[in-house]
Amino acid sequence: NAGVTQTPKFRVLKTGQSMTLLCAQDMNHEYMYWYRQDPGMGLRLIHYSVGEGTTAKGEVPDGYNVSRLKKQNFLLGLESAAPSQTSVYFCASRTLSGGLQPQHFGDGTRLSIL
Amino acid sequence: QQPVQSPQAVILREGEDAVINCSSSKALYSVHWYRQKHGEAPVFLMILLKGGEQKGHEKISASFNEKKQQSSLYLTASQLSYSGTYFCGTETSGGYNKLIFGAGTRLAVHP
Repeated sequence: NAGVTQTPKFRVLKTGQSMTLLCAQDMNHEYMYWYRQDPGMGLRLIHYSVGEGTTAKGEVPDGYNVSRLKKQNFLLGLESAAPSQTSVYFCASRTLSGGLQPQHFGDGTRLSIL
Repeated sequence: QQPVQSPQAVILREGEDAVINCSSSKALYSVHWYRQKHGEAPVFLMILLKGGEQKGHEKISASFNEKKQQSSLYLTASQLSYSGTYFCGTETSGGYNKLIFGAGTRLAVHP
């Protein structure tokens, strides 16, 4: 029972490089989310998706793009990485019924931009 | 708008109690509480819905004051394993199931 799996777990990039973070969930959840967490701070919502083929902006969307081509996968892209994007990125998913159902988090991707 | 958590940090001796508060300026549909240990993912503790329903772990209790848009998490007879950072996440009606998280409350429990 994998739950939410994030790939990769660690990555170091140079400024200006691009990369894609993958989030996969096996719980058939409709909702998926990408957060970033900077040292000593809370989780800030980057983008989210309410279903396959849909995406929407969160609190801090600039510099990121996302895609949800398959229900189980939610991809986060950095087109031209900047040092300010050094952070830990968490993906989460939640069932359509919401309400008393929590978000389930992946283990995170630690990204450093040099 | 980000909910405000208080206090920012708490230090306890094992067995002591603590209350962590979360306040929002928006009308809320639900409040979620998570605990995160260093280098790990947030772990679900409790959900409180407008109207009184709630779901969470047996040893954790919380309240939701709908009039004040405030929630409190009550940690009683603390254990060493309670150490970590506690986050509240708030959800507004029609908010597409998205949460806005507070900055967190760091809790350290010592023997």
